Amino acid sequence: GQQVMQIPQYQHVQEGEDFTTYCNSSTTLSNIQWYKQRPGGHPVFLIQLVKSGEVKKQKRLTFQFGEAKKNSSLHITATQTTDVGTYFCAGVTLGKIIFGKGTRLHILP
Amino acid sequence: DGGITQSPKYLFRKEGQNVTLSCEQNLNHDAMYWYRQDPGQGLRLIYYSQIVNDFQKGDIAEGYSVSREKKESFPLTVTSAQKNPTAFYLCASSIQANPYNEQFFGPGTRLTVL
Repeated sequence: GQQVMQIPQYQHVQEGEDFTTYCNSSTTLSNIQWYKQRPGGHPVFLIQLVKSGEVKKQKRLTFQFGEAKKNSSLHITATQTTDVGTYFCAGVTLGKIIFGKGTRLHILP
Repeated sequence: DGGITQSPKYLFRKEGQNVTLSCEQNLNHDAMYWYRQDPGQGLRLIYYSQIVNDFQKGDIAEGYSVSREKKESFPLTVTSAQKNPTAFYLCASSIQANPYNEQFFGPGTRLTVL
């Protein structure tokens, strides 16, 4: 079936280090959304990518959508303690949204 | 304040009992969704509703039921037929059931079946 794989499942980084999570789909996506869930909280929408090769930035966060629209990445530069949480990608294919399992980011002070 | 409310935050039930989880939104959104989240898992869609009096099964609808009698409300009933009901349940809404629309999530209800 259609799947959206997200790696890594967990990531521990020292505060100030960079962090990247990757999302890969077995099928071509029409668009991809990214959400952040703080510990004990609920997912909050971050951004949506629609175009092939699209790159969007939000302060220290950079989101990319692959040329083939089958993969995406989220990169955080110089992590801060406020970045702690789980980052989910949600790919849309054939009108259906499929969430990845998320990458849980831990920041070491 | 516009948003989605879910109550209660924590819910305990005995095995074999049905339980209904509340979800209310005042965002005037047409579409509403119910997801289940288990540790280390992504969000799995239980049911969704595109409009009042209409709802569709998601990927894991067995053992659950919903209703959509009002635009603002989309309650989820976890029946005794659900084999592993202990989980974190998230309700969400979007302007329309269009996959290009962002989803707004409620705070969730953590259900524990003893």
